[in-house]
Amino acid sequence: GAGVSQSPSNKVTEKGKDVELRCDPISGHTALYWYRQSLGQGLEFLIYFQGNSAPDKSGLPSDRFSAERTGGSVSTLTIQRTQQEDSAVYLCASSFEDRGRSFYEQYFGPGTRLTVT
Amino acid sequence: GQNIDQPTEMTATEGAIVQINCTYQTSGFNGLFWYQQHAGEAPTFLSYNVLDGLEEKGRFSSFLSRSKGYSYLLLKELQMKDSASYLCAVRTNTGTASKLTFGTGTRLQVTL
Repeated sequence: GAGVSQSPSNKVTEKGKDVELRCDPISGHTALYWYRQSLGQGLEFLIYFQGNSAPDKSGLPSDRFSAERTGGSVSTLTIQRTQQEDSAVYLCASSFEDRGRSFYEQYFGPGTRLTVT
Repeated sequence: GQNIDQPTEMTATEGAIVQINCTYQTSGFNGLFWYQQHAGEAPTFLSYNVLDGLEEKGRFSSFLSRSKGYSYLLLKELQMKDSASYLCAVRTNTGTASKLTFGTGTRLQVTL
């Protein structure tokens, strides 16, 4: 596709259930990021994938959160045993990051609005 | 860790000029980005600075002073459609990787 896509656009789940959020990055982009944005807040970094390198998981808030990126393309963010504080918009972004370049902007998807009841 | 500060809200009049400031404290600095985010939408890229000075792009300009840990976004000839949140983000190097840390954003309201 032309841009980053995410699914579902909205997800309502009961506390304690597991959820999976999907991100399709722009074709050819080597890097993929997951962020979380709570109401009225800035973007909180969660995890970063770059090529075949080990992902940077330093932003994951707890071990209930995990993510994988299959084949260097599609990524899935999984939240186990959801809690009400997990309610937020989850944004995915991708970029083409080449060590020979100094600048690479991130292109964001439309996000998944997660509501935990 | 990183600390990024920007004002929470600003109001300006259509046709005017507004400056949104951002201060940061970080290690491994490797560039500063400004993003625009309309309510309910994803952020979109506005500008990037890695060297000191002013970068101009149409009605938008961004300035960086690395020694002062300071940047600003300047919006000229404000239009109603410029009402949005403006996010300052600092890129830092972490070993072989780099990541963006975002401020909480400045909500700009453009009035008639």
